[in-house]
Amino acid sequence: DAGITQSPRYKITETGRQVTLMCHQTWSHSYMFWYRQDLGHGLRLIYYSAAADITDKGEVPDGYVVSRSKTENFPLTLESATRSQTSVYFCASRRQGISDTQYFGPGTRLTVL
Amino acid sequence: QKEVEQNSGPLSVPEGAIASLNCTYSDRGSQSFFWYRQYSGKSPELIMFIYSNGDKEDGRFTAQLNKASQYVSLLIRDSQPSDSATYLCAVFIYSSASKIIFGSGTRLSIRP
Repeated sequence: DAGITQSPRYKITETGRQVTLMCHQTWSHSYMFWYRQDLGHGLRLIYYSAAADITDKGEVPDGYVVSRSKTENFPLTLESATRSQTSVYFCASRRQGISDTQYFGPGTRLTVL
Repeated sequence: QKEVEQNSGPLSVPEGAIASLNCTYSDRGSQSFFWYRQYSGKSPELIMFIYSNGDKEDGRFTAQLNKASQYVSLLIRDSQPSDSATYLCAVFIYSSASKIIFGSGTRLSIRP
C-alpha cells in the first residue's frame, strides 16, 4: 500500500540504550521529517532531509542521529536514550507543489525508563 | 515570540454551531498555510490549505487568510461531535529552508 509507515509503533527501552525508529514512504517524496510531540510543546522538528544523503538539524536535534541512504527510508537513532526523550515521534514526508502538503506516519510511542 | 501561535483551548462549542479557530504567525515571508486535525492518539491529518488572501471553502470547513494582519482562521460550520479534536495550524516559510512550522494546537470540544 502507498503511504508512510513507522516501526515500531510502541517501544519501551532503558536509559543509555540505543534505539532506532524506522520510517518508510512509498511516494518518492524528496523531503522527509522527524518530529516529536509532547504535551504543551506541540510538534517540534528534530531533523529533516531534502533528499538522499542530505540531512539538516531542526529545532531539537541534540541526542538524535539520522541518515538517509535511500529516498524512501529515513531512520532516527537515539544514540543513548534519556528519560527526556520519552515522547511520541512522527515521521512525515512532503509533497512539493502549490499546496506543499506534509503527510504524517502513524507515530511511534517511545518510553525511556 | 513563537513563530506560529494558537490558543490552546479547550474551545467548547455546542453541536450544530460554528467553531472558530484562530492562528497568528510572525514571519511575513510565510507562503502557505495549513490546518491539520489530530484525534487523540492519532497522527495529524491535513484538512485545509490556503495560500491566497481571502476565504477558501471545502464542505463544512472554511479557511480564512489575512496576510496583512498575519492571521489565518478555520471555521467549522454545523459542528459535529466527530469534530472534537486538536487542530494544528502550520505555516510554510520558504526562508526557513523549506520547513513547515506548527503551532501547539487548539483543542476543540463539541458538546451534544
